[in-house]
Amino acid sequence: GAVVSQHPSWVICKSGTSVKIECRSLDFQATTMFWYRQFPKQSLMLMATSNEGSKATYEQGVEKDKFLINHASLTLSTLTVTSAHPEDSSFYICSARGEASNHGYTFGSGTRLTVV
Amino acid sequence: KQEVTQIPAALSVPEGENLVLNCSFTDSAIYNLQWFRQDPGKGLTSLLLIQSSQREQTSGRLNASLDKSSGRSTLYIAASQPGDSATYLCAGDTGANSKLTFGKGITLSVRP
Repeated sequence: GAVVSQHPSWVICKSGTSVKIECRSLDFQATTMFWYRQFPKQSLMLMATSNEGSKATYEQGVEKDKFLINHASLTLSTLTVTSAHPEDSSFYICSARGEASNHGYTFGSGTRLTVV
Repeated sequence: KQEVTQIPAALSVPEGENLVLNCSFTDSAIYNLQWFRQDPGKGLTSLLLIQSSQREQTSGRLNASLDKSSGRSTLYIAASQPGDSATYLCAGDTGANSKLTFGKGITLSVRP
């Protein structure tokens, strides 16, 4: 089945630095990937839709200059949190849809970001 | 705008009980409906996908159904086990590569 690999699983960074999170589709090509954010005991909030070879589409209220998304290949999308602040601390999860119509959406294992 | 609701937010049952988790959505033009499981601090694991032309799917002790006309989906868990304890989320989309809309999830606790 479709597998999405996300790295790192957790990261601690200092306030003001930037952090890059990678999302890879291991056994399929993903022209579209999705980035979510999840706060404790809450559901997933879609941040942006990552499109291979073109600009990402951001949801309302999400700062595109703060959350940089690059989808340079059919198997890799990256999310960079720039000039991170403590309020950016959260759980970030990516997902992609399998190539076959019966695959549905597959999610990465998530990245716990803590900004100190 | 599609809205997905899951009630109750939490559920506690004794081991061995059969249970039903409910999910309702506002837009009947739902394309695919997918049920996920999330363990604390982890990503989402896909449980069942019901495609637009289907009405139900089964995998082991799990059965999910979809009724577009009533705007409801249910996840049936047979003979629940403590290992089933997790948060269960349902999500729907409106077309190929459209975004998923999630419910807030139901946190299930199965007591030994």
